[in-house]
Amino acid sequence: KQEVTQIPAALSVPEGENLVLNCSFTDSAIYNLQWFRQDPGKGLTSLLLIQSSQREQTSGRLNASLDKSSGRSTLYIAASQPGDSATYLCAVAAGGFKTIFGAGTRLFVKA
Amino acid sequence: ETGVTQSPTHLIKTRGQQVTLRCSSQSGHNTVSWYQQALGQGPQFIFQYYREEENGRGNFPPRFSGLQFPNYSSELNVNALELDDSALYLCASIPPGTSGYNEQFFGPGTRLTVL
Repeated sequence: KQEVTQIPAALSVPEGENLVLNCSFTDSAIYNLQWFRQDPGKGLTSLLLIQSSQREQTSGRLNASLDKSSGRSTLYIAASQPGDSATYLCAVAAGGFKTIFGAGTRLFVKA
Repeated sequence: ETGVTQSPTHLIKTRGQQVTLRCSSQSGHNTVSWYQQALGQGPQFIFQYYREEENGRGNFPPRFSGLQFPNYSSELNVNALELDDSALYLCASIPPGTSGYNEQFFGPGTRLTVL
């Protein structure tokens, strides 16, 4: 059974710091991995999608990597800003058209 | 291009009642997935619809059912509501492609409270 874990559960950093969020999954047979951002009480905004054949994706200050063999993905945020404060979720597309989410990392960037 | 929309925004029901939540897909997207997100947790996959047929289901009882219409909009129905059904319900639309594993685009969600 696929399980997705995100570490840390919460993170507080000063503005301008570079940071890494971690996501691990137990079954390497995935189709893709997607990172999302969620503001309190709101829906999910897609940040990056990495297909199973890819190793990383970049968008602006964000870079996500995928290592299927070790069951890990990282989301790197460069030069963090207060507007980056949100919950970050990773999700893996498993068999049977199911998507399994982690519980998220709550990020707070202090001005 | 219109994004994914959901209605209603908020809903309050009592135990035992039935509820219908609605989702309009992003233009051109023919697949819809529904999720339940309890407070402080990640979303849990309920089911996915493709061309009006359910083609994937998570660990939810039969009282959670769905429909997809020819215009690809979708409904989530929950019968015999329980207190634990209180959650944010999210739908995601997926563009056509070579598989059902393409990028998902989420709506703003419906907050359901069961008293």
